[in-house]
Amino acid sequence: AQSVSQHNHHVILSEAASLELGCNYSYGGTVNLFWYVQYPGQHLQLLLKYFSGDPLVKGIKGFEAEFIKSKFSFNLRKPSVQWSDTAEYFCAVNEPRDDKIIFGKGTRLHILP
Amino acid sequence: ETGVTQSPTHLIKTRGQQVTLRCSSQSGHNTVSWYQQALGQGPQFIFQYYREEENGRGNFPPRFSGLQFPNYSSELNVNALELDDSALYLCASSRDSLGEQYFGPGTRLTVT
Repeated sequence: AQSVSQHNHHVILSEAASLELGCNYSYGGTVNLFWYVQYPGQHLQLLLKYFSGDPLVKGIKGFEAEFIKSKFSFNLRKPSVQWSDTAEYFCAVNEPRDDKIIFGKGTRLHILP
Repeated sequence: ETGVTQSPTHLIKTRGQQVTLRCSSQSGHNTVSWYQQALGQGPQFIFQYYREEENGRGNFPPRFSGLQFPNYSSELNVNALELDDSALYLCASSRDSLGEQYFGPGTRLTVT
């Protein structure tokens, strides 16, 4: 069965610091990969996704993620975080012909002003 | 364009009772997926409804059941509630069964 591991449960950074959140998945076949974000008091929303093509994917608000197939990884990055990036971030995966999305446990990111 | 809405926002039930949660899908979407998010965990897939039929199910017992109506809104029913059913229940709608999913705000269920 597929699983998703997020390495950091809670990350605290100062504004302007660089961010990298780790994500690894267990499935060896073709996958779709996602990062979702949940800002305080708001709905879960899609940050970016990878289906195929360029393994470096750019999302909203300056976020990007790189799919490295050999490492089963899809790490999320942002060169310079802002206080407004404080949120919980979820990595997720599904098989292209499967309807269910498997989520990681989430990483709570706290940015100090 | 109206987003995904869920009702109620919060609910408190007693162990053994039954509960019904409701979800209205985004305009133009025909698929609804339900997820359970326990405290400190990521969302876990319960099942999906596509054009009024169940279209996939996660590892949840039969006491979790659902419905989708002709207007594509959906209900999640849970019978014989257990303490471990306490969680945030999320509904997501999509344009088809493999499309991008848009999430609602969730219903927080507490079972005492």
